[in-house]
Amino acid sequence: GENVEQHPSTLSVQEGDSAVIKCTYSDSASNYFPWYKQELGKGPQLIIDIRSNVGEKKDQRIAVTLNKTAKHFSLHITETQPEDSAVYFCAATDPNAGGTSYGKLTFGQGTILTVHP
Amino acid sequence: KAGVTQTPRYLIKTRGQQVTLSCSPISGHRSVSWYQQTPGQGLQFLFEYFSETQRNKGNFPGRFSGRQFSNSRSEMNVSTLELGDSALYLCASGPRTSGGADTQYFGPGTRLTVL
Repeated sequence: GENVEQHPSTLSVQEGDSAVIKCTYSDSASNYFPWYKQELGKGPQLIIDIRSNVGEKKDQRIAVTLNKTAKHFSLHITETQPEDSAVYFCAATDPNAGGTSYGKLTFGQGTILTVHP
Repeated sequence: KAGVTQTPRYLIKTRGQQVTLSCSPISGHRSVSWYQQTPGQGLQFLFEYFSETQRNKGNFPGRFSGRQFSNSRSEMNVSTLELGDSALYLCASGPRTSGGADTQYFGPGTRLTVL
């Protein structure tokens, strides 16, 4: 099945700096890559996603890039703010889930992002 | 539009008991997936339901089961609880608007503690 590796496991930045989190996936058939933000005591919140027919997607301070050849995708947060502090997860679809499955995501291990004021 | 709701939010059980968790998807969403989140194993897929049918199942023992009702609400059941079942159980719903992978929105989770 699909395997997703996420780095770094922890990331500490100063307010206003940029933060980059990288993920690699194993199966070239994966075609959907969401990013989630999880705050303490809450469920994961979808912040941005990208499908394999595009290379980059941006939403205000957040952007995601996808390199299908290298099988990796990255989350970029610019002008970080203390409220960006959370755990971030990348995920990929599992192509072995079959044609009738749309909801099986394989997650990375998570990155604890801390933004210092 | 209200988000995914899960009940109960917290649950304490003892080994050997069984538990049922409930999930109400976002209005209009027809697919529901369940995940287990633990510090050691991270987020792991349990199962996925669409139109009251299980579409896929993760690598969990048969003690873990689920179902989906005609109104898209879903329940999962864990029988003969073990200490290792202590986890945050997350439900996610999706609109299934295209033929590709479904965008999934998570609920707040149910924190299960097994003593």
